[in-house]
Amino acid sequence: GQQVMQIPQYQHVQEGEDFTTYCNSSTTLSNIQWYKQRPGGHPVFLIQLVKSGEVKKQKRLTFQFGEAKKNSSLHITATQTTDVGTYFCKVWDYGQNFVFGPGTRLSVLP
Amino acid sequence: KAGVTQTPRYLIKTRGQQVTLSCSPISGHRSVSWYQQTPGQGLQFLFEYFSETQRNKGNFPGRFSGRQFSNSRSEMNVSTLELGDSALYLCASSPLGSEETQYFGPGTRLLVL
Repeated sequence: GQQVMQIPQYQHVQEGEDFTTYCNSSTTLSNIQWYKQRPGGHPVFLIQLVKSGEVKKQKRLTFQFGEAKKNSSLHITATQTTDVGTYFCKVWDYGQNFVFGPGTRLSVLP
Repeated sequence: KAGVTQTPRYLIKTRGQQVTLSCSPISGHRSVSWYQQTPGQGLQFLFEYFSETQRNKGNFPGRFSGRQFSNSRSEMNVSTLELGDSALYLCASSPLGSEETQYFGPGTRLLVL
């Protein structure tokens, strides 16, 4: 079945530093979504990427879809304490499953 | 619009019992998916319903079942509860034509003793 990896598993940064998480798939993807889950909360949809090489920005967040559509990244510029949480990528497994990556847990030290 | 609502928010059951969880999607959303979240396994897809029909199913045993009503509200049922069923159960709804874009409810935290 679909294998989705995310690296790193954990990231601790000082407030103001940049942060990047990567999502890698074993197969070519039709699209990919990113979600954020705050501690004690539920996943919140951030964005969907569809096109090869696509780059989308949301304020300090930059999302990129790889040219081969097998990987994606989420980059946060100048992290703030409000960025704390776990960032998940989600893909569609053609075996008829939605598959979440294991997530990257971000801690931001003030 | 009101978000996805789930009831109950917390539940304690004992092994062997059964449980029914409820989810009301965002108004106008017809697709409802269910997920199990545990520290060890992460977020795992249970099933998806659309227009009262199960459209997709994850790799969970038959003890896990669900249904959807004509108003798009959904329920999931777990029979013969096991300790390992303790988890956060999340429901998500999607707008028509964008089923990958899922809006999650706050979840039901189930503890099986």
